[in-house]
Amino acid sequence: NAGVTQTPKFQVLKTGQSMTLQCAQDMNHEYMSWYRQDPGMGLRLIHYSVGAGITDQGEVPNGYNVSRSTTEDFPLRLLSAAPSQTSVYFCASSYSFGDSDDEQYFGPGTRLTVT
Amino acid sequence: AQKITQTQPGMFVQEKEAVTLDCTYDTSDPSYGLFWYKQPSSGEMIFLIYQGSYDQQNATEGRYSLNFQKARKSANLVISASQLGDSAMYFCAMSPSGTYKYIFGTGTRLKVLA
Repeated sequence: NAGVTQTPKFQVLKTGQSMTLQCAQDMNHEYMSWYRQDPGMGLRLIHYSVGAGITDQGEVPNGYNVSRSTTEDFPLRLLSAAPSQTSVYFCASSYSFGDSDDEQYFGPGTRLTVT
Repeated sequence: AQKITQTQPGMFVQEKEAVTLDCTYDTSDPSYGLFWYKQPSSGEMIFLIYQGSYDQQNATEGRYSLNFQKARKSANLVISASQLGDSAMYFCAMSPSGTYKYIFGTGTRLKVLA
């Protein structure tokens, strides 16, 4: 199993550009999520999905869109990049939501810089 | 409000000593999970240990144990016999069952000294 994969690893965008961060998992996990990690702020939930066709907002959803057309894929779209979106982005998945010893598996992260 | 608080931004510990990393949480959900993750300088997130809110016993995984005090709403991570490879950022997280949202603390950076 490849686990959770994310592409790209690094990206530089200009203000106003749009892009999609890719996330895929091959573990047949129902729950997937996107986080951003900023210094001193831990991981903050952007969007999550409990299954194909079902998504919802997390703590910091503004400026981001998601969709989940398949169990495997959960792309994150930046609609119009802003310098405040400079961050490290993590995708994660788990078989279900954590009411058991069902930990999240994290991708390697994408380091995004918006100039 | 659902919240995780980690009050120690940084900690030092001597190699082979034990260290406790603090985590307090706030939730009104009666059912929740508590997790600890390790993030080395290479950046990946590594799952360490899980505790369910209804578990009677404290969770243990090798050198890691979770000191769960439900009345105090604390879920401290204890690392025994620290190793140089334990130097990393450690995050506490919670999963209130009614929300489908994992909540993370701001992390504690641990440095193990030789």
